[in-house]
Amino acid sequence: EVQLVESGGGLVKPGGSLRLSCAASGFTLSSYNMNWVRQAPGKGLEWVSSISSSSSYIHYADSVKGRFTISRDNAKNSLYVQMNSLRDEDTAVYYCARTRNYGMDVWGQGTTVTVSS
Amino acid sequence: EIVLTQSPGTLSLSPGERATLSCRASQSVTSSYLAWYQQKPGQAPRLLIYGASSRATGIPDRFSGSGSGTDFTLTISRLEPEDFAVYYCQQYGTSPLFTFGPGTKVDIK
Repeated sequence: EVQLVESGGGLVKPGGSLRLSCAASGFTLSSYNMNWVRQAPGKGLEWVSSISSSSSYIHYADSVKGRFTISRDNAKNSLYVQMNSLRDEDTAVYYCARTRNYGMDVWGQGTTVTVSS
Repeated sequence: EIVLTQSPGTLSLSPGERATLSCRASQSVTSSYLAWYQQKPGQAPRLLIYGASSRATGIPDRFSGSGSGTDFTLTISRLEPEDFAVYYCQQYGTSPLFTFGPGTKVDIK
């Protein structure tokens, strides 16, 4: 079964850091570009970051540029995002998702990040 | 930056009725780069349509996508009880790489 499982969410104070992980199974991670997408409570979907299959190309939303770093380890079938200088507005459910045909065809169940003092 | 606008914000319909959801882009979007998702409460989004009109794997044929340029449509031919959800359109671009619309909620009348 093709699956993505996120982990690493939790409660963190403003200015703090958190590292999210996404474990892939049932497919070869190295063949796909991957993404992080977030959803603030009661809000819509917001693209956060993307990384190409070999990590050659990396993109960030302006809202996280300079604070978040996406990475991947294809040998470990894992995707990561290091989140620094966290703000209240980063509170959201964070999803990892696989790119296919310019859309996102496989999504994890999400991990919740709460930034609060 | 391309902005996506979805209308209506909420669509109140009964099971068996036809749903027509609109996604309008602030600039022309390559059809290959337009997708639609369904999201139910507490669940991750699910890809319905890619390339503006191609159904994703396992998606029933009551879901169809159409459109080009700046105007795209998701149609649900006959609403089933499980179709009441929020629907998002998404485009693939340059900066930002992906953009989502604000969503249309389809609820039971």
